[in-house]
Amino acid sequence: AQSVTQLGSHVSVSEGALVLLRCNYSSSVPPYLFWYVQYPNQGLQLLLKYTSAATLVKGINGFEAEFKKSETSFHLTKPSAHMSDAAEYFCAVRGMGGANNLFFGTGTRLTVIP
Amino acid sequence: SAVISQKPSRDICQRGTSLTIQCQVDSQVTMMFWYRQQPGQSLTLIATANQGSEATYESGFVIDKFPISRPNLTFSTLTVSNMSPEDSSIYLCSVRLAGEVNEQFFGPGTRLTVL
Repeated sequence: AQSVTQLGSHVSVSEGALVLLRCNYSSSVPPYLFWYVQYPNQGLQLLLKYTSAATLVKGINGFEAEFKKSETSFHLTKPSAHMSDAAEYFCAVRGMGGANNLFFGTGTRLTVIP
Repeated sequence: SAVISQKPSRDICQRGTSLTIQCQVDSQVTMMFWYRQQPGQSLTLIATANQGSEATYESGFVIDKFPISRPNLTFSTLTVSNMSPEDSSIYLCSVRLAGEVNEQFFGPGTRLTVL
């Protein structure tokens, strides 16, 4: 079965500092992995996705993530945090059942300190 | 991408009543899903809405509590029946577009509070 684990339910960074949000996956087959962002009182927006092509994936808003099979990780990074990055971030893996729906991690709330 | 609308955006309901949430998509979709996000928690899949047939429910969710309809490719409803305060959550519709096997798009959610 596919699953993801997000380490750290809350992360605080200063504006301009590096953002690192951690996600580790468990999968018996090569996974398809996703990062979504949820701003307050809004739905989920796709940041980026890994679908077995390039291991370094670039997404919207300056975010990127690197797929590391040896570490079973798919950490999300951004070189310089902006106040507008404050949100909840979810890592997800595509299931391998009939519907191939997504399974989500528990989320990481990012706070950006001025 | 797709534009997904949900109605209502939020509601406050009394215990024991039922609420039907609508999801409308502006594109042809292959799959439609309903998720629940309880306060401060992640998303949990309730069911896959199947066009013209009964929805496929995940463990812990039953049709009597969460009846789902999908009469056509772009519209689905989720009913939360006989509500209790524990049903207070955000309910999100999610779709996969025709020709896209990996990416899922999400609606803005319906924020439900049960008193």
